[in-house]
This record gives sequence, structure tokens and C-alpha cells, in this order.
Amino acid sequence: EDQVTQSPEALRLQEGESSSLNCSYTVSGLRGLFWYRQDPGKGPEFLFTLYSAGEEKEKERLKATLTKKESFLHITAPKPEDSATYLCAVQGGSEKLVFGKGTKLTVNP
Amino acid sequence: NAGVMQNPRHLVRRRGQEARLRCSPMKGHSHVYWYRQLPEEGLKFMVYLQKENIIDESGMPKERFSAEFPKEGPSILRIQQVVRGDSAAYFCASSPRTSGGEQYFGPGTRLTVT
Repeated sequence: EDQVTQSPEALRLQEGESSSLNCSYTVSGLRGLFWYRQDPGKGPEFLFTLYSAGEEKEKERLKATLTKKESFLHITAPKPEDSATYLCAVQGGSEKLVFGKGTKLTVNP
Repeated sequence: NAGVMQNPRHLVRRRGQEARLRCSPMKGHSHVYWYRQLPEEGLKFMVYLQKENIIDESGMPKERFSAEFPKEGPSILRIQQVVRGDSAAYFCASSPRTSGGEQYFGPGTRLTVT
């Protein structure tokens, strides 16, 4: 059974304090690893798709990386508007996405 | 290009009533997925549909829940005889392709059963 574990559950940073979120996964036949951002009361917003180990993608202050067992979401010099819950999901042998419980990020000014 | 649309955004039902949740995928997307998010839990897959076909319903409860995606009109998630445990946020997502294609989510319908 495909599984995703995200850590930490919650993270508080000061504005400008860089850090990383972890997503560990087990999946049979990875077809894609996805990162989403979810704000309170809203639907998940797509950020990145990674397909193979060694792949990296960037968007503004966010950079996602992938190994055979985990993915990291690096946040460089975060701002208060980066505060949200970040979700990781994998797609394996079927079309469904299997999600982790997320990391709630708070960036204080 | 409008995103995934869901309605209603909020729905209150009494125990035993029926709930109907609607989802219109993004233009050009033919793959629709429904997920449920319970308080303090992650998103859980329920069902995957293409036009007029249920492809994977492995996450759907065996009783009271059904889904359809007709040739014309939105996808519908139907919950009969709702119970308090059905209270959750229900999200619809659509994708232009399978096998690694990203899924774009709607704003969700928040169902409250009283």
C-alpha cells in the first residue's frame, strides 16, 4: 500500500529564516510526486510535479527535490504570505493521489 | 480559463437527508476525482471518473455513496441518508491526462450534518 509521511507536522519560522519540509514515501512504481499548498478553507493549489530521483523544480522562494525515498520542499527567505499547509502526494499504480497529512507552516514577520 | 468549480460551497443537512455535491472540471479536462478531508486528517481518495464511466471507486464507502459524470453536465457526488460522520470537506479535482498528470482542485464543499 502506498504511504506518505510528512514532517514536521508544524513549523514556525521567522521571516527570512530558510528551512526544509520533508516528505517520505513508499510506493510501487512512482509515476509522480506532487506538492500542493493549501490555505485555510480553500482547495489545494498545485505547486510541483517530480517524476524521477534527482529531479528539482523551483518557483519563487520554493524548491522541490526528489530522491528514491523522499522529497524535500526547501523554502528560502520565507515571507508571511508563505504561511499555509503544504501537502505532498504520490501517484503509484493507480490514478489516485495518496496524500500525507501535511506540514503547517507559519512565517512570523 | 476558469478553474474547477464546485457547488454548493457549504451544505447543511440533517441526519437522514440526502446531499448532492456538484463539480465542473476545468475546460478540456476529462478526468475527475473526488477526495474527502476529515478534520485533522489528510485528503483521502474516493472515486475517479471519466465521462459516463466510473474508473476506480476503491475509496468509496460501500453504502450510501455514489458518483456519476454524465455526458453532459457536472460530476455529482451523492450521499444518501447522511450521518454525522459524513461531515467533512469534499474536494473535486480534474486532470487533462492520466499517469503523472497533475490534478487541479476546486474550492471544496463543506458538508455539515446536524
